Amino acid sequence: DTAVSQTPKYLVTQMGNDKSIKCEQNLGHDTMYWYKQDSKKFLKIMFSYNNKELIINETVPNRFSPKSPDKAHLNLHINSLELGDSAVYFCASSQGGNYGYTFGSGTRLTVV
Amino acid sequence: GENVEQHPSTLSVQEGDSAVIKCTYSDSASNYFPWYKQELGKRPQLIIDIRSNVGEKKDQRIAVTLNKTAKHFSLHITETQPEDSAVYFCAASYAGFGNEKLTFGTGTRLTIIP
Repeated sequence: DTAVSQTPKYLVTQMGNDKSIKCEQNLGHDTMYWYKQDSKKFLKIMFSYNNKELIINETVPNRFSPKSPDKAHLNLHINSLELGDSAVYFCASSQGGNYGYTFGSGTRLTVV
Repeated sequence: GENVEQHPSTLSVQEGDSAVIKCTYSDSASNYFPWYKQELGKRPQLIIDIRSNVGEKKDQRIAVTLNKTAKHFSLHITETQPEDSAVYFCAASYAGFGNEKLTFGTGTRLTIIP
């Protein structure tokens, strides 16, 4: 029973397309995150939501729009995809405070 | 904002020897310091963490030390085994009012030589 699940696992798409990545957690956590891992393996936060409310937006282009229909789900929609968007996107959840994250398995996005 | 530096970027260690990875952080308000292990093609997984009220924590072959004055923390792996080969990330955060976020170091690729 996967704690944080992301779909799809792989996504190959052309420049200019719009795509979505879905994330769901069954841990009962209040806080969810999107992180981007680039080709050099650097993990950088994009967004965080606490109980459906946007808390952190780390200077991410407006083409990226997160949506949290409820505290168990955090989706990421990307408009007008660019080559530089190619990366692995990780969803994560946490019970907040000084507790670690549980990461999803990642979505490898390749823009061609 | 917080900035976390991690060294070395790559580390090769003979099986059975110890490995040490070091991190420094910039924000003196940070109070939570986890370490993650990421195997090739897998998700980062929490292996150990330490909070600012503790100087050292150990879990079997893994230990973490924290020096708040120097804003420095380290991961120690003893009796290394081939399955320890992975990328390791340190991170730091401040537990606020639901706005905490982990800032990660740049990662250390650890290779255990059989």
